[in-house]
Formats: sequence, C-alpha cells, structure tokens
Amino acid sequence: DAKTTQPNSMESNEEEPVHLPCNHSTISGTDYIHWYRQLPSQGPEYVIHGLTSNVNNRMASLAIAEDRKSSTLILHRATLRDAAVYYCILRLSHGSSNTGKLIFGQGTTLQVKP
Amino acid sequence: EAQVTQNPRYLITVTGKKLTVTCSQNMNHEYMSWYRQDPGLGLRQIYYSMNVEVTDKGDVPEGYKVSRKEKRNFPLILESPSPNQTSLYFCASSSMGTVAGNTIYFGEGSWLTVV
Repeated sequence: DAKTTQPNSMESNEEEPVHLPCNHSTISGTDYIHWYRQLPSQGPEYVIHGLTSNVNNRMASLAIAEDRKSSTLILHRATLRDAAVYYCILRLSHGSSNTGKLIFGQGTTLQVKP
Repeated sequence: EAQVTQNPRYLITVTGKKLTVTCSQNMNHEYMSWYRQDPGLGLRQIYYSMNVEVTDKGDVPEGYKVSRKEKRNFPLILESPSPNQTSLYFCASSSMGTVAGNTIYFGEGSWLTVV
C-alpha cells in the first residue's frame, strides 16, 4: 500500500531556512506529491505540489529526488506564522487518471523559535 | 470566494442517533471527499466522489454513508453513530483532470462527539 513517512517534529529559528523531509518509497510513476499545512483549529491548506521536477512558488520550494522515493519541502525563511503541522500527501493516479485516493503522512509539527 | 462549507462545526450526539454532516463547495468541483482526523493517526480518507452519482470507499468507510446527488453537495451520513466515531471531520474538493495535481480545498472541520 502507498505510504508516506515524515518526522514527527522539527524546530527552526526565525528567518532561517527549513527543510522538511518526506519518504514515499511506494510511489507509482504518475502519483503526485502534495504538501499541505494545518494551523490549529483550521483545515489543511495547500502549500505546493509536484510530479518529477523541482517546483517553486511564493510559499515554498519542493525538491523531488530523482527516483521520486523522497521529497523535501523547503521554506526559505521561516517566520512565526509558518509554525504548523506539515503534511506530505500522495495523490494516487492510475495511468494518467486521478484515482481520487489520497494518502496522508502523519505530519511534521514545525516549531519556529524567535 | 472559493469555499468548502461544512455544517455543523460542532456537535455532541448520542450513540445510535442518525446524523448528517453537510458539505458544500462553490467552485464547481467534480471531486469531493471526506476525512477524519484522530490524534496519532493523522488524516484518513473515508469516502470520495469523482462526480455526481459516483462515490467510492476510502481507507476507513465502515459506519459511514455518502451520497452525491448534486455537484456542489456531498453529505456524510452516520446511520448509527458510535463513540469510536468521535473525531474531527474534514470535507474537501478539487477539480478533476487527467492528472492528479489539482489543488485540494478543505473545509474548516466538524468536531463530532458521540456519547
């Protein structure tokens, strides 16, 4: 079965980069890698997603290993507002079609220290 | 504003009393899904729907029913709730395509306690 594995928690200092790892060794060729974050008492919100190539947006960067068995979410300069639980998610595909199934990791709680 | 709206947000109910948690989205999304979130277990998918009248089981469907009669609505039904269904529930939606990369929008969650 598809699975993602993340560290339970990480700490960072404010204004420093943060690298959040995720292992997804069971990923299939067309499964997408998504990252979401969840603030207390809120639903998860989108951060970034990718398939094979590294991706950048205004929030973060996503580095995907060449074999796609792992990925790293990079927050370039952590702020106190980035303190949240970060989820690595596989959105499963069958061929080129979306199966509708999502596999969540356990999430990494990021603590940002001033 | 793009929204996924769940109701009720908080509910305490008794064992065996049927309840429905509604979910509505205003983005004309084909895909909708329900999750439950429990301490130490993270988020787990209950049911999902790829389009109207098309639903399928996720990882933890036991004790739940869903229906998708309209594109915008995807209610979660607990026919006979039990205490082990006490949890935080999230509804989500996204557009569909031939690829699996579309952004998923989550509701704010519904806290359900079954006593």
